[in-house]
Amino acid sequence: GENVEQHPSTLSVQEGDSAVIKCTYSDSASNYFPWYKQELGKRPQLIIDIRSNVGEKKDQRIAVTLNKTAKHFSLHITETQPEDSAVYFCAASSNFNKFYFGSGTKLNVKP
Amino acid sequence: GAVVSQHPSRVICKSGTSVKIECRSLDFQATTMFWYRQFPKQSLMLMATSNEGSKATYEQGVEKDKFLINHASLTLSTLTVTSAHPEDSSFYICSASRTRTGDEKLFFGSGTQLSVL
Repeated sequence: GENVEQHPSTLSVQEGDSAVIKCTYSDSASNYFPWYKQELGKRPQLIIDIRSNVGEKKDQRIAVTLNKTAKHFSLHITETQPEDSAVYFCAASSNFNKFYFGSGTKLNVKP
Repeated sequence: GAVVSQHPSRVICKSGTSVKIECRSLDFQATTMFWYRQFPKQSLMLMATSNEGSKATYEQGVEKDKFLINHASLTLSTLTVTSAHPEDSSFYICSASRTRTGDEKLFFGSGTQLSVL
C-alpha cells in the first residue's frame, strides 16, 4: 500500500515568517494530494489540494507544490499568523479509492 | 465546504457493550466513506473503506467482526464497536468522498471520542 512520510513533526516559527512542511509518498499511482489543518479536538479541515496534472497551486497565503518524479509535495504558508497554529496533515490518494495520511506536523506560530 | 455530520461526539460505555457511531453526508451523496482512528497527538489511521451497498474493505490488522461497518445508503455509514474494551478507547472519525466531477474532495466528520470503562 501507500506510505506517506511527513516532516518535520514540529515546527516553530515567528509570526510573519514562512513555514514549509514536506511529504513524500511511495505509490506512483497516487494522483491526488490534499492538506488538512486540525485544531485540537476538532475535525481536519481541507485547506488546499493538488492533483497530479498540476505542479503548483496557490490560495492566498497557502501554496502547495508537487514533484511527481521525486514523489514529494510540500505545503508553504507565508506571512504566518498565530491562528495558523495547528496540526497539519498531508495525504495521498489514488483516484479517491483510499486516503493515506502523513504523521502530522504541529505548527506553532509565535506572536 | 460540504458538511459531514458524525454522532455521537462523545460516548462513555462499559466494557463488553456495543457502541454505534453514525456518519452522514448532509448535502452530497457519498458512495465511499472512510473510517479512521486517531490516538492523541498521532495521525489518522485508516480502519476501513465503506462502499454503499457492498461490504466494507478493512485494513490489515483491523478486526472486521469487532468493527462492524454498514453503508446502507448514499448518505449514511455506521461503525459499530462490538464488545468494547478499554483498549478500544480512541477518537474515531469518519470521512466522506464527494465525487463531483472535476472537484472531488474528502470531507471529515467531527469525530467521536469513545471511552470504555
